[in-house]
Amino acid sequence: EIVLTQSPATLSLSPGERATLSCRASQGVSSYLAWYQQKPGQAPRLLIYDASNRATGIPARFSGSGPGTDFTLTISSLEPEDFAVYYCQQRSNWHAAPMYTFGQGTKLEIK
Amino acid sequence: QVQLVQSGAEVKKPGASVKVSCKASGYTFTSYGISWVRQAPGQGLEWMGWISAYNGNTNYAQKLQGRVTMTTDTSTSTAYMELRSLRSDDTAVYYCARESAYSSEEFDYWGQGTLVTVSS
Repeated sequence: EIVLTQSPATLSLSPGERATLSCRASQGVSSYLAWYQQKPGQAPRLLIYDASNRATGIPARFSGSGPGTDFTLTISSLEPEDFAVYYCQQRSNWHAAPMYTFGQGTKLEIK
Repeated sequence: QVQLVQSGAEVKKPGASVKVSCKASGYTFTSYGISWVRQAPGQGLEWMGWISAYNGNTNYAQKLQGRVTMTTDTSTSTAYMELRSLRSDDTAVYYCARESAYSSEEFDYWGQGTLVTVSS
């Protein structure tokens, strides 16, 4: 079973600064990794798929890198609405059926 | 537009069962799998299981095996998740999420969430 470890647990930054969030997979089984943003009281929102592709409507300040076992989500210049919790997620297969794993999350808070 | 609309909040006693629905619209229901993801208060996301809306095949998270059942009704484009023998640590917001149209490796649409509270 894949384990995804996100770091740091909490990141304190100011608007306009650059944010770098990490996600490490316990085994490099796939180049596919997704990133989600979740705000309080809301469902997660897909930001990045296949490690580096932005989902529809996601601003260009969000970018992702990989593949391998170490993945990064970068927010080039933080806007006030970017302060939220971010999760990485990967899919693997179990007897030809999919199973999904989430990282434990990184909370991006205003400094 | 794609929408996943879930049933309302539930309060259950320990040992009871809960069944949450997720009604899909705006796309061909049988073309995408549905996963269920839960989130305990103040905690992260936990994948519970997946169901193929095409043929009903399922795969459940190991820790929930034997307590969870996922089904679909293609006539109404609705997915269901039933959890039995509820415990206090099952208190969570439960989400349904659709396999994405990009690569099926992630989830591009989510329901609004259903709060299930387990309390005596």
